[in-house]
Amino acid sequence: GAVVSQHPSRVICKSGTSVKIECRSLDFQATTMFWYRQFPKQSLMLMATSNEGSKATYEQGVEKDKFLINHASLTLSTLTVTSAHPEDSSFYICSASLVAAGADTQYFGPGTRLTVL
Amino acid sequence: GENVEQHPSTLSVQEGDSAVIKCTYSDSASNYFPWYKQELGKGPQLIIDIRSNVGEKKDQRIAVTLNKTAKHFSLHITETQPEDSAVYFCAASSNSGNTPLVFGKGTRLSVIA
Repeated sequence: GAVVSQHPSRVICKSGTSVKIECRSLDFQATTMFWYRQFPKQSLMLMATSNEGSKATYEQGVEKDKFLINHASLTLSTLTVTSAHPEDSSFYICSASLVAAGADTQYFGPGTRLTVL
Repeated sequence: GENVEQHPSTLSVQEGDSAVIKCTYSDSASNYFPWYKQELGKGPQLIIDIRSNVGEKKDQRIAVTLNKTAKHFSLHITETQPEDSAVYFCAASSNSGNTPLVFGKGTRLSVIA
């Protein structure tokens, strides 16, 4: 199956700092990638849809100035959590959309555990 | 917008027994229904999916059925093994290229040896 990687897998930072998370589709090109966050024992919550070469579309309630998304190439999307605070601590997961035979399938990365002290 | 309901939230079965997880969706335009398995601390892994032009799909011990009229789809795992223990999520979308998936709340499956 298609492989999506994320880096870093785990990050601990101080309150007020910014953290960048990378999402890469390793063996396919992805025009569209998605960013989710997941709290313990909960489902995935969509944060934004990232399209290559254009601005991301954010879900209601997600601050676009706080969660900066850049999708500069067909294999890389980045999420930057700016001025992180303890409440931003969460599991961040990206997915990449593989389009084949007229249909698309989403493959997820392994996730990034962010802890803000 | 789409709303996906998933039941049960937790499920315990004896090793070797079958497990069934059910989901319903609200948007008749949805035509793509994947199932993901998520182990602790990891990202969701696609295990099987079905598109609205078929009613059933099987892959070894895993099968998914779809009833478009009733707007529900189910995951069936036969001959369960301890390594099947995980959280399973159903999802739905209109699969139009950049349409995000709408997820159910998940089912925590425990297979007891």
